[in-house]
Amino acid sequence: QKEVEQNSGPLSVPEGAIASLNCTYSDRGSQSFFWYRQYSGKSPELIMSIYSNGDKEDGRFTAQLNKASQYVSLLIRDSQPSDSATYLCAVKRAGRRALTFGSGTRLQVQP
Amino acid sequence: SAVISQKPSRDICQRGTSLTIQCQVDSQVTMMFWYRQQPGQSLTLIATANQGSEATYESGFVIDKFPISRPNLTFSTLTVSNMSPEDSSIYLCSAPGTANTGELFFGEGSRLTVL
Repeated sequence: QKEVEQNSGPLSVPEGAIASLNCTYSDRGSQSFFWYRQYSGKSPELIMSIYSNGDKEDGRFTAQLNKASQYVSLLIRDSQPSDSATYLCAVKRAGRRALTFGSGTRLQVQP
Repeated sequence: SAVISQKPSRDICQRGTSLTIQCQVDSQVTMMFWYRQQPGQSLTLIATANQGSEATYESGFVIDKFPISRPNLTFSTLTVSNMSPEDSSIYLCSAPGTANTGELFFGEGSRLTVL
């Protein structure tokens, strides 16, 4: 079992729709959870962090965390073509400073 | 946040040679992290660069192949030694932000192609 799992996609949504990206993790001791966006040929860019159960909203982005189910998600409302990228879920495991990354989900927003 | 500068941004190398990647952070950080991203893959941690002590390597990565230096709290280097085509990858330097809330910020990456 991978430590952090994501569907590779591509996830294709029309412009203006809600994109839903999902991530599961195996270590119950994980403490912090992050979503990164990576455009082709660029380095990962932090877009959201979440530390406690529930929802956290920032503009068009909402991160959701359910520690009991070991599940993290990212919702992107009013998706734009500029949101087309690979979204990486990252987890900070207990006792570690580095982050463990999932394989990423490629999102395509169709104009 | 943290501003991280890496160089070179890209290079084409010959088999058997070595290349050193430099990473500069705009603030003092205790730990810096080196990741590798192979084509079409996610990020894999190579090692943690600790100031004042030896780097800590992840399973599958060894010091002889990836020696790391950490001379001060804002700078680190990663050397890829005796390169083979399998080492063709993007190498990313990262560091925590000043808020110390767990997130990492990344340099622009160094894209190495080994012929």
